[in-house]
Amino acid sequence: QQQVKQSPQSLIVQKGGISIINCAYENTAFDYFPWYQQFPGKGPALLIAIRPDVSEKKEGRFTISFNKSAKQFSLHIMDSQPGDSATYFCAASYAGGTSYGKLTFGQGTILTVHP
Amino acid sequence: GAGVSQSPSNKVTEKGKDVELRCDPISGHTALYWYRQSLGQGLEFLIYFQGNSAPDKSGLPSDRFSAERTGGSVSTLTIQRTQQEDSAVYLCASSPEGGRKLFFGSGTQLSVL
Repeated sequence: QQQVKQSPQSLIVQKGGISIINCAYENTAFDYFPWYQQFPGKGPALLIAIRPDVSEKKEGRFTISFNKSAKQFSLHIMDSQPGDSATYFCAASYAGGTSYGKLTFGQGTILTVHP
Repeated sequence: GAGVSQSPSNKVTEKGKDVELRCDPISGHTALYWYRQSLGQGLEFLIYFQGNSAPDKSGLPSDRFSAERTGGSVSTLTIQRTQQEDSAVYLCASSPEGGRKLFFGSGTQLSVL
């Protein structure tokens, strides 16, 4: 029940294209859904996050879409750039836990953007 | 400091030895977390410290793992009697209270031979 399932495992897109990564969760207590970006040799960095009271959040080229009834959320990267090539992790946590930082992560998606 | 600092960046040890991994969080951050990243298990929560409260140890995989945080700042993760399955990248993160944004260090790559 604590799992967060992420797909695809890897994704290749052309420069300028749209990258879409999907996640699904089971625990309905989750109420905070961040996405983290990780470059090789570095720790993950927060990219964007959403609460379940909104269906969409946009920051620049990055958009989270959230479907509470389906228990799914996705990351869309518009106008993908080679510099976006990284591993992306979705995650979830809940206020009933000790901290929003106690995250359950998806397995990660390796994104490659070809120039 | 500019960010979360972890040392050493790489550690190679022999099976059965004890290891200590260090984390210096961002000054002023009250919350500190340890995560483990491995190919098979992905990113896993290990332990969380918040101020002077008792730590949340619910993610520690066995009693060979322990952590402490001294003076509300530096933290040390200790793994006793290391096993090959302990090989992973150990990541430390700090956060202002609430934990909505974690700032991760670059991690310690632990290899148990």
